[in-house]
Amino acid sequence: SSELTQDPAVSVALGQTVRITCQGDSLRSYYASWYQQKPGQAPVLVIYGKNNRPSGIPDRFSGSSSGNTASLTITGAQAEDEADYYCSSRDSSGNHPWVFGGGTKVTVL
Amino acid sequence: QVQLQGSGPGLVKPSGTLSLTCAVSGDSNSSSNWWSWIRQPPGKGLEWIGEIYHSGSTNYNPSLKSRVTISVDKSKNQFSLKLASVTAADTAVYYCASGSYASFDSWGQGTLVTVSS
Repeated sequence: SSELTQDPAVSVALGQTVRITCQGDSLRSYYASWYQQKPGQAPVLVIYGKNNRPSGIPDRFSGSSSGNTASLTITGAQAEDEADYYCSSRDSSGNHPWVFGGGTKVTVL
Repeated sequence: QVQLQGSGPGLVKPSGTLSLTCAVSGDSNSSSNWWSWIRQPPGKGLEWIGEIYHSGSTNYNPSLKSRVTISVDKSKNQFSLKLASVTAADTAVYYCASGSYASFDSWGQGTLVTVSS
């Protein structure tokens, strides 16, 4: 099965822009979806499809994709954006099960 | 959007079977046709366990397939997870989730299941 690779941690100054990347072969066939998880809470969908935000997700969150790499960008990071972020996509093999990246811890300085 | 509420025993003995249920409520006309179970060991990342389509067809993580059964009870608006032959490595927070083919739109609150004698 495919794997999705994320950097373990990134930091961003308050109000600045941060990009989180996710790499994997499955991303050549499927869009990634992105999830924000704060300590002790369930994950929340923030981006899906080409670049779609569910209702209630601020427009400072955006997504993009190129080749085998998907990216989540937070433009003007806020203190409340400090969290773990996971990418996920369908696997391009077999019965197309889901795969998750290992997660990226975003620290807002 | 649908709301999900997971429930089940928080402690399971080694070699036993973990059984969890997820109650579904809310927008019955939503596009949430896929129902999944996802787990997260303490301090670690997310692992997809499997899914069931509203038609009843299932799809499982190849690494867990031999031990997993997911079923749905439409009359009770709920779906269930059974994981057999558990070990300490199965200790995790178990989430139920729903969505389309392309994303997990809604998540339950999570149920911590500890495997211990």
